[in-house]
Amino acid sequence: DAGVIQSPRHEVTEMGQEVTLRCKPISGHDYLFWYRQTMMRGLELLIYFNNNVPIDDSGMPEDRFSAKMPNASFSTLKIQPSEPRDSAVYFCASSLDRMNTEAFFGQGTRLTVV
Amino acid sequence: AQSVTQLGSHVSVSEGALVLLRCNYSSSVPPYLFWYVQYPNQGLQLLLKYTSAATLVKGINGFEAEFKKSETSFHLTKPSAHMSDAAEYFCAVIPNFGNEKLTFGTGTRLTIIP
Repeated sequence: DAGVIQSPRHEVTEMGQEVTLRCKPISGHDYLFWYRQTMMRGLELLIYFNNNVPIDDSGMPEDRFSAKMPNASFSTLKIQPSEPRDSAVYFCASSLDRMNTEAFFGQGTRLTVV
Repeated sequence: AQSVTQLGSHVSVSEGALVLLRCNYSSSVPPYLFWYVQYPNQGLQLLLKYTSAATLVKGINGFEAEFKKSETSFHLTKPSAHMSDAAEYFCAVIPNFGNEKLTFGTGTRLTIIP
């Protein structure tokens, strides 16, 4: 397996624009996590899914953020409208099941909002 | 809520010296505990995990950690530091029942002095 694949690796956008980050988890993994990493706040869990269903979205900062998982092999994190304070590295991770809880991370998307 | 506290945002050790990175958890019930490593411009990679089995856990690259319930600690150690160990290290926690929310500490940046 190629691991967790995120796209794009880098994204630069203007304030107010819509941004969509994409993630393909490892095949067969039941859990998918979205994290945001910044110098100030470290790694924050935004939302996670189990079998494509959102379980906990309490970390989503505000209504401008939304995440979907239409099928087991694809998830998106959307920011609309984007703001400069959204600049961060966004990571997607997947794990097999609740007992085998190692999370495999993608290489991240570095988002810059100017 | 379950959480972990990492003491020391930056640690420097000489090559060949002992590495000790500290992590304390807050929980009345022993959770699942993890150490992850992040190299520059990469995602996180699992070093080792504690899931209620042996209290001394061995991981990759010569790292190990000991779960101490009396001290609510899960410190990461390596007997002899190597230049390639320079990275950021994150302690993380999942409650052993209830939910699968993987929550990270603030991280410790390890620098190896030649």
